[in-house]
Amino acid sequence: DQQVKQNSPSLSVQEGRISILNCDYTNSMFDYFLWYKKYPAEGPTFLISISSIKDKNEDGRFTVFLNKSAKHLSLHIVPSQPGDSAVYFCAAWESSGTYKYIFGTGTRLKVLA
Amino acid sequence: NAGVTQTPKFQVLKTGQSMTLQCAQDMNHNSMYWYRQDPGMGLRLIYYSASEGTTDKGEVPNGYNVSRLNKREFSLRLESAAPSQTSVYFCASSGRSGRKNTEAFFGQGTRLTVV
Repeated sequence: DQQVKQNSPSLSVQEGRISILNCDYTNSMFDYFLWYKKYPAEGPTFLISISSIKDKNEDGRFTVFLNKSAKHLSLHIVPSQPGDSAVYFCAAWESSGTYKYIFGTGTRLKVLA
Repeated sequence: NAGVTQTPKFQVLKTGQSMTLQCAQDMNHNSMYWYRQDPGMGLRLIYYSASEGTTDKGEVPNGYNVSRLNKREFSLRLESAAPSQTSVYFCASSGRSGRKNTEAFFGQGTRLTVV
């Protein structure tokens, strides 16, 4: 049973436009969410996170939105750049529980120059 | 600035052979994890260790064993490799900042092929 889902395996966006990556979760006990970026032949690297007490967190071109009632989060990248082309994973954590990160299946973003 | 170091980076095994993937972190993190990445499946948790001396199964533990040797090191062992274990394996670690857990830091991965 997939607790964290990324339903879009891939996304193509023109350079300069907005990229929106989506993630849904099923476990209402998750209270910390993260986005990771992964280039080929490298390990995932942390991008941005959000606590469940917030609904938005912004870091430069990257903004994460959290809708707890819908159990949905999204990552906005504005403006998108060719160097943003990578696989993006969302992950969830339950502070009161089992001390493990659960990852989604990933979305491959391609930013077209 | 090593962070999380995994060895080896590449490995080819024959079906039935055994091997151990090594992982070490130098960030004084309590928690360590082993994930596998397969096409279309994302990152799936194999085993994790919330603290030194403890290990727990993740989503896909069958065919694997782990050892938390000390706070720095967490190894993953394949006792009898199978072609279904062909994958890219990632080790990660995370710590605490006050009452909050930090993000997980990943190693560079081990690409394992079982023939």
